[in-house]
Amino acid sequence: QKEVEQNSGPLSVPEGAIASLNCTYSDRGSQSFFWYRQYSGKSPELIMFIYSNGDKEDGRFTAQLNKASQYVSLLIRDSQPSDSATYLCAVRVYAGNNRKLIWGLGTSLAVNP
Amino acid sequence: DTAVSQTPKYLVTQMGNDKSIKCEQNLGHDTMYWYKQDSKKFLKIMFSYNNKELIINETVPNRFSPKSPDKAHLNLHINSLELGDSAVYFCASSLRHGSSTDTQYFGPGTRLTVL
Repeated sequence: QKEVEQNSGPLSVPEGAIASLNCTYSDRGSQSFFWYRQYSGKSPELIMFIYSNGDKEDGRFTAQLNKASQYVSLLIRDSQPSDSATYLCAVRVYAGNNRKLIWGLGTSLAVNP
Repeated sequence: DTAVSQTPKYLVTQMGNDKSIKCEQNLGHDTMYWYKQDSKKFLKIMFSYNNKELIINETVPNRFSPKSPDKAHLNLHINSLELGDSAVYFCASSLRHGSSTDTQYFGPGTRLTVL
């Protein structure tokens, strides 16, 4: 059973701080890793993806991947109240001849003004 | 411009009824998906179509039948609705499922409540 695990939270940080969200996955053959944000009652929206070991930065967001440890994280710098949402980690795995995303349950983030 | 749209947004119905949800994307993508998100917020893929061809069919009761009349549309028909079918159903699309960096874009969701 291929799994993706996240701490459900809630993770609470003060405005302006760095929020660190973590995700581990079980399938060593996983190819690419996605972070989505989901506001309450809304659909998931893509923040960024990463497929090589190391860091990838996009604005206030940095994704970090360590395939040896089967670990991917998302850092949010200068957190804003508008960042308060559930952050979903998704991992692309092989499904027979195709590929699919396996999703974590998400981490709830609260940024306090 | 709405990229991935679904109708209806809300669906309240009685057990045993049959209902359909429609999805359309105007992104020119080849691949479309149906996901179910339950009350615990767990997002699970149900089906995936690539250019009208079914490519992923997870362990879903056969009361659920997807149909893709063309690559821009993917509908979901559910027969004999049960209480456990209550969830939010998301449609998504992506450019080309074979790429490892292929990115999925979600519709607004359909909240199904079975009474």
